[in-house]
Amino acid sequence: DSGVTQTPKHLITATGQRVTLRCSPRSGDLSVYWYQQSLDQGLQFLIQYYNGEERAKGNILERFSAQQFPDLHSELNLSSLELGDSALYFCASSAQGDTQYFGPGTRLTVL
Amino acid sequence: QQQVKQSPQSLIVQKGGISIINCAYENTAFDYFPWYQQFPGKGPALLIAIRPDVSEKKEGRFTISFNKSAKQFSLHIMDSQPGDSATYFCAAIPSGGSYIPTFGRGTSLIVHP
Repeated sequence: DSGVTQTPKHLITATGQRVTLRCSPRSGDLSVYWYQQSLDQGLQFLIQYYNGEERAKGNILERFSAQQFPDLHSELNLSSLELGDSALYFCASSAQGDTQYFGPGTRLTVL
Repeated sequence: QQQVKQSPQSLIVQKGGISIINCAYENTAFDYFPWYQQFPGKGPALLIAIRPDVSEKKEGRFTISFNKSAKQFSLHIMDSQPGDSATYFCAAIPSGGSYIPTFGRGTSLIVHP
């Protein structure tokens, strides 16, 4: 158990809908990272927050957004969902910067 | 542009054998190289990591070999066990900044009993 929690574990929705994925980092970790994992693209970095502020952006679509709250939990919002958004979404947290601990992931299925 | 190339894509090993997974990188700014192990339906878990100031790091049956001049590093799993069957990802992380890792594409390891 990495100490990072994610909810929900599974999410099934329809195209065009909007969903919110939630992540709670390990106690004391200020950084949260979001990743998308699909079979053909591997692990893709989406976005990073550090102590409530956006720190870095990766291959995140404009339809996707995220935020980190004062209690350090983070949410990833995915809107206008498309079939191709079906994937595993992981968050990871870190305290030291280079060592990241991953949550169990949310499996999103868009029908 | 794939900055970390991982091979092989899949690997089948007999129980007790040695599993070897290789990664190569291009960016000389990388200075931290972790390996992650991922079981189906689970998140990647940090397995072992190395910095470029050492050429080898061993933790139990897992060893990272690092060749800074060749910009290559590899994971060796000694005495491979069926429980090691998983997907392994190498990663490279630059110093400073946001510590955003670049991951290899992953290697699916199957260890036959």
